[in-house]
Amino acid sequence: QVQLKESGPGLVQPSRTLSLTCTVSGFSLTSYGVSWVRQPPGKGLEWIAAIWSGGSTDYNSALKSRLSISRDTSKSQVLLKMNSLQTEDTAMYFCARWDSGYGWFAYWGQGTLVTVSS
Amino acid sequence: IQLTQSPSLLSASVGDRVTLSCKGSQNINNYLAWYQQKLGEAPKLLIYNTNSLQTGIPSRFSGSGSGTDYTLTISSLQPEDVATYFCYQYNNGFTFGSGTKLEIK
Repeated sequence: QVQLKESGPGLVQPSRTLSLTCTVSGFSLTSYGVSWVRQPPGKGLEWIAAIWSGGSTDYNSALKSRLSISRDTSKSQVLLKMNSLQTEDTAMYFCARWDSGYGWFAYWGQGTLVTVSS
Repeated sequence: IQLTQSPSLLSASVGDRVTLSCKGSQNINNYLAWYQQKLGEAPKLLIYNTNSLQTGIPSRFSGSGSGTDYTLTISSLQPEDVATYFCYQYNNGFTFGSGTKLEIK
């Protein structure tokens, strides 16, 4: 069955770079795109970035200068890097897969909490 | 596209018919989905393409709308429906609404 699982450092100091990993199973990254979505505590959801099945990428325009998304198909992993972290980046970070090639997210990981604090 | 959900908090009784609203800043062309998120969990897809019910979702959930205005309806509220509900558009980029928190009165 389709599964996604996020992993990350938990705590990151301000101004540092965050690295997150989404490990998937039950499907191929060359067949489906994967996105990252984040949710600050008690707030709404924000789409951050996507890597498509062909390997092309898209970013939230407000965050684009700080983001990099990539993948390792041999490990079934999608990687997200975000630099210059601030306290406002404290959030639960989810990876999610579209039901088909685009549109609505049908599959989500359980999320990984990232806290930005010194 | 910005999505505005109303109300932000809704309190209703078990068995009530509940309506949640989502309004886009531009035409969404029916490319709208609804998610349910319970405390501490990932969002769960309820409805896609405005009115298509995701497999396994109870039929008391339904969606409607067009243009900029969309609605999620729960025909008979159940205790397990306590959650926050988000709308999400994929017509132009990907945007989520701010959410409606649904409580039992």
